[in-house]
Amino acid sequence: DTGVSQNPRHKITKRGQNVTFRCDPISEHNRLYWYRQTLGQGPEFLTYFQNEAQLEKSRLLSDRFSAERPKGSFSTLEIQRTEQGDSAMYLCASSRRTSGGAGDTQYFGPGTRLTVL
Amino acid sequence: AQSVTQLGSHVSVSEGALVLLRCNYSSSVPPYLFWYVQYPNQGLQLLLKYTTGATLVKGINGFEAEFKKSETSFHLTKPSAHMSDAAEYFCAVRDGGSNYKLTFGKGTLLTVNP
Repeated sequence: DTGVSQNPRHKITKRGQNVTFRCDPISEHNRLYWYRQTLGQGPEFLTYFQNEAQLEKSRLLSDRFSAERPKGSFSTLEIQRTEQGDSAMYLCASSRRTSGGAGDTQYFGPGTRLTVL
Repeated sequence: AQSVTQLGSHVSVSEGALVLLRCNYSSSVPPYLFWYVQYPNQGLQLLLKYTTGATLVKGINGFEAEFKKSETSFHLTKPSAHMSDAAEYFCAVRDGGSNYKLTFGKGTLLTVNP
């Protein structure tokens, strides 16, 4: 069990550019989540996948954001036409479905810190 | 809608002193409750969780939390603080249904003084 990995760890971009982040979940975890964390705040939910299906999207996820999880393994989060307000830590988490759902524990990756200049 | 309130954005204790980090939640259904810890420039690490059963939950690194339904609280404690406990702590809640997203509090930064 190697944990959740995210790449890149840091990304600096200019306003208006597109960026893409990758998340590799713990193997055999069928659920994958994206959160955004800004300075001084707790993580905020963005979206959630069960296998390859995107089951829920937050209102925070504007049209400039798109997430995919082809084949139900790794996931990508793309931000188009970045804005300075997109600067944040983007966290990925994964979990494994358990009987009854009570034990569904999310394990987090180290995050990708995005800075938009 | 769920919400989590962490009282005190910054708590400072002396090494060896009791640690008490407060968390109150609101949820329309029986909740699942979590405490995570975050060290600088790192992701979140699960400390402990409450799902069902015993209301006093023990976690890693000597931390424990008690679920009090009547007070809608899930406070985190540790009898004796260690320097390595200095970090940011987040309380989170999830509905007990099919909604799997976590709702986090704003976090409490714990400082441990020598």
